[in-house]
Amino acid sequence: QSVLTQPPSVSGAPGQRVTISCTGSSSNIGAGYDVHWYQQLPGTAPKLLVYGNRNRPSGVPDRFAGSKSGTSASLAISGLQAEDEADYYCQSYDSSLSGYVFGSGTKVTVL
Amino acid sequence: QVQLVESGGGLVKPGGSLRLSCAASGFNFSDYYMSWIRQAPGKGLEWVSYISSSSSFTNYADSVKGRFTISRDNAKNSLYVHMNSLRVEDTAVYYCAREFQGTSWPNWFDPWGQGTLVTVSS
Repeated sequence: QSVLTQPPSVSGAPGQRVTISCTGSSSNIGAGYDVHWYQQLPGTAPKLLVYGNRNRPSGVPDRFAGSKSGTSASLAISGLQAEDEADYYCQSYDSSLSGYVFGSGTKVTVL
Repeated sequence: QVQLVESGGGLVKPGGSLRLSCAASGFNFSDYYMSWIRQAPGKGLEWVSYISSSSSFTNYADSVKGRFTISRDNAKNSLYVHMNSLRVEDTAVYYCAREFQGTSWPNWFDPWGQGTLVTVSS
């Protein structure tokens, strides 16, 4: 049971915008801890997509945008492309568990 | 370029032990915290353990506390995890990852190794 809750799946047509939510609580996101996002393409290791709630590493397209408010965070993917089909995970820290925590993961399907 | 390569995975019986290694290259290994993260087949990511740059601090997920020991050898640019009393539920791909520290907490993981599969089965 993940401490950070994500929808199991989201889908959209090419060119559309989809949003993935990451819902936490007062001991993690709501406590002010940053949220980071990772993309895991099929059969590969996760790759950093967004760090510090909204910052993109070099090479990540600006189609990916992170945000955070209250006890939740979101990742928006605009101009959806076939290559965006992957699993996406949020990550933060939980003070009750005294450790890093990941979201349950969201599979993005491009219709 | 920055690279992490895990090794040591395999098939082990319940109650057995295994040591995983992670060889780092392309960056100053001794400057960074490092973590182990695992992914059970078809499941999500689970952080396992971290170790500070000088080995002064370690932390473990409750699910492995008392059974796993993380360590590093900065002279060899290598990270390890020794896993004892293995259980069926420890079956997973184990990734090592460099922790990147920004101006706020928590750290993030970048990059990740390709992973090594540990299967615990009788």
